[in-house]
This record gives sequence, structure tokens and C-alpha cells, in this order.
Amino acid sequence: AQSVAQPEDQVNVAEGNPLTVKCTYSVSGNPYLFWYVQYPNRGLQFLLKYITGDNLVKGSYGFEAEFNKSQTSFHLKKPSALVSDSALYFCAVRDGGATNKLIFGTGTLLAVQP
Amino acid sequence: ETGVTQTPRHLVMGMTNKKSLKCEQHLGHNAMYWYKQSAKKPLELMFVYNFKEQTENNSVPSRFSPECPNSSHLFLHLHTLQPEDSALYLCASSQEGLGRQAMNTEAFFGQGTRLTVV
Repeated sequence: AQSVAQPEDQVNVAEGNPLTVKCTYSVSGNPYLFWYVQYPNRGLQFLLKYITGDNLVKGSYGFEAEFNKSQTSFHLKKPSALVSDSALYFCAVRDGGATNKLIFGTGTLLAVQP
Repeated sequence: ETGVTQTPRHLVMGMTNKKSLKCEQHLGHNAMYWYKQSAKKPLELMFVYNFKEQTENNSVPSRFSPECPNSSHLFLHLHTLQPEDSALYLCASSQEGLGRQAMNTEAFFGQGTRLTVV
């Protein structure tokens, strides 16, 4: 079965510093990977996805993610964090089964300090 | 605005009440989902509908009853809930297809209904 893991419950970073939110995946076949962000009391917003091609994927709000096949990772990155980036971040993978549902990680809370 | 609208945004109900959550998508998608998000727990997929047909029921108790009258609307009917059912209920939709097309489409989420069972 497809799965993703987010090893960190929380990531703390100072404003202006680069940030990384980690995600590793386990799939059979080609991985179809996604990142979502959730602000307090809101639904999930799509940030970016990896389907195929360039290993560096660019998304919304200046975020990007690096796909690494050998390390089975899909880490979310941003060169310079903003306080407004503070939110809950979810990594997800397509199941590929009969319903092709999205399987989410447990989420990582990003806290950016001013 | 994601194109997926959920109502109500907040709901407080007693354990003997009957209520319904509504989800509407204006994206022309053909798949819709209900997720449950509880504090400090992973997102739980509850139900999946493809082309109005239920394709997955993730061992959800019968006190939750979904209904999908058309590809644009999804309901979650609630009755005799328990306090532990209090959570944020999220609706999502996506464009499903066959093979690779189905794999690379993202889902769009509504803002959720914050449900409190008292």
C-alpha cells in the first residue's frame, strides 16, 4: 500500500531563514506526490505536486519541493520563511488503487518566529 | 476560494439530534470525498464517491450516512452522534479519469465544518 511519513510533528524556524519540511514515501510503481497547507480553522490548500520530470517542483507562495528517488523523499522547501507561512503542512500520495484516493501524512506544524 | 463550499461552517448538536452537512463543488469534478480531522490525529478518509457512486466506505459507523445526488453535491447525514465525533469535517473533490490521468490530479478542499457534539 502507498504511504507517506512526516517524521517531524513541528518545525521551528526564524523569519528570513530557509525552511524544510520533510516527507518520505513508500509506493509501488511511480510516485504521484502532493503538498498541502492548512491554516487555522480552514481546509487544505494545494501547494504543489510531483508527477514526473524535473526533480525540483515549484509551487504556490514561493514554496518548492525536491523529489529524490534514491532517498524516497519529497521535502518541502522555501528559501526565506515568512511569519505568515506558519501553518500545518501535509504531504500526500495517490493511492493508485480502485478509488485512487489521496493518502495523507500526519502533518507537520511549521512555526516561523519573527 | 477553492471552488468547494461547505455549509454550515460551525455546528453544535446534541447526541439525539439529526443534522446534515452539505458540500458543493463548482469545478466540474466527478469525484468527491469526506474526510474527518480530529485534534492530534491523521486525516481520516471516510467516504469516496466517483460519478455519484460510493466507491469507498472506510469502516465508518452507520451514524454517518453520506448521500451524493449528483456530481456537484455531497451530503453527510448525522444522527445519534457521540462526543468523540466532534471534529473538523472536510469535503474535497477532484477530477478523476483513467490510468495516469487519474493519478496526477490534485484534490480541492472546502473550508470544513467544525462539528461539536454535546
